[in-house]
Amino acid sequence: AQKVTQAQTEISVVEKEDVTLDCVYETRDTTYYLFWYKQPPSGELVFLIRRNSFDEQNEISGRYSWNFQKSTSSFNFTITASQVVDSAVYFCALSDPYMYSGGGADGLTFGKGTHLIIQP
Amino acid sequence: GAVVSQHPSWVICKSGTSVKIECRSLDFQATTMFWYRQFPKQSLMLMATSNEGSKATYEQGVEKDKFLINHASLTLSTLTVTSAHPEDSSFYICSASRDPGNTIYFGEGSWLTVV
Repeated sequence: AQKVTQAQTEISVVEKEDVTLDCVYETRDTTYYLFWYKQPPSGELVFLIRRNSFDEQNEISGRYSWNFQKSTSSFNFTITASQVVDSAVYFCALSDPYMYSGGGADGLTFGKGTHLIIQP
Repeated sequence: GAVVSQHPSWVICKSGTSVKIECRSLDFQATTMFWYRQFPKQSLMLMATSNEGSKATYEQGVEKDKFLINHASLTLSTLTVTSAHPEDSSFYICSASRDPGNTIYFGEGSWLTVV
């Protein structure tokens, strides 16, 4: 069975600090996708990144960066120089194993989320 | 702009009544859509896979007779919560992708409150 663990329930930092959100996943599949989403209080899910299991290169997008370590089954997310607008709940998610079968299944398994609070 | 749209954004209904939530893909056809439920301060849980032209596939523990899913067209899936009870109050959100394995788009979500 698939599982995504976000051990940090809540993180509070002062603005401009760097912060890393941890994500550890479990899957028996060799082919899968990993995602990060941001959920502000309004509820909508904001897509941040999708990474396939064959691409272990780290990625940087502005103040955001992601560290994918297949050996430790981790896909951590770092925000550099955090801002108050970064305050939200962040979810890590893992794709359904049948995503590549052509069957059309793209159901995601979500972690419990990390509530990030950036204090001014 | 939104690629997947949900309606209504929020709804309040009386206990015992049924409420329908729509999920539309705006500029692409989606043979498969997904419905998730999120209780306050909890994670999103996949409820069911909505398949165009066929029966939905429900996750374990989700009552198919209570949460009716209809995917009658390639751009619309509906979730009907039948005989709603206060414990059904939750945030319901759908997703769809243009093709399997491509970017997954989520709707804006629908807040359901049963009183």
